[in-house]
Amino acid sequence: TQLLEQSPQFLSIQEGENLTVYCNSSSVFSSLQWYRQEPGEGPVLLVTVVTGGEVKKLKRLTFQFGDARKDSSLHITAAQPGDTGLYLCKAAGNKLTFGGGTRVLVKP
Amino acid sequence: GAVVSQHPSRVICKSGTSVKIECRSLDFQATTMFWYRQFPKQSLMLMATSNEGSKATYEQGVEKDKFLINHASLTLSTLTVTSAHPEDSSFYICSAIGGTPGLHTDTQYFGPGTRLTVL
Repeated sequence: TQLLEQSPQFLSIQEGENLTVYCNSSSVFSSLQWYRQEPGEGPVLLVTVVTGGEVKKLKRLTFQFGDARKDSSLHITAAQPGDTGLYLCKAAGNKLTFGGGTRVLVKP
Repeated sequence: GAVVSQHPSRVICKSGTSVKIECRSLDFQATTMFWYRQFPKQSLMLMATSNEGSKATYEQGVEKDKFLINHASLTLSTLTVTSAHPEDSSFYICSAIGGTPGLHTDTQYFGPGTRLTVL
């Protein structure tokens, strides 16, 4: 059982559509991180959210940390094929706690 | 930002041989390095944690005699897969935590990974 549960596990959408990925836990975290990993490469850090209720934007990506600091979401607006990849949430500072990952496929 | 490299990026070996993978922090001193394993379409699974100059700490179920980890300096850790078998074929990724001022000490910087194929 993953301490961090990600949903959905796989998402296939058309270019231009929006999508949301969720990262949920029963535990409280001091902060959460989101990574994107492309095939054959290591994960790349996208953002760290620290404060409950915090919203951070990175171009077309919007990250939110739940008020209770138990969950987070990643929303992509007008997805592009370049957004294709494996999105991973991780508890910052906790080497063990990666979510199971969400594989996103954006078709042109 | 902090850069972590891995070498080689891909390796193919015969069953029974040993393979060494290097992980280097290029522009910072890594107080701690982590080794992960990733199977296709799955998330990263931590194998072990290594601190410079001390023995690695292995996660449950990871054979320390099979996956030898050496962290001889603050910029280099190596993972040696001994007597490799086809089931060891996987994507191995290292990460490092920096002790350099200016770097978040709780942020892991990941290497690009090494694809190991054992025939």
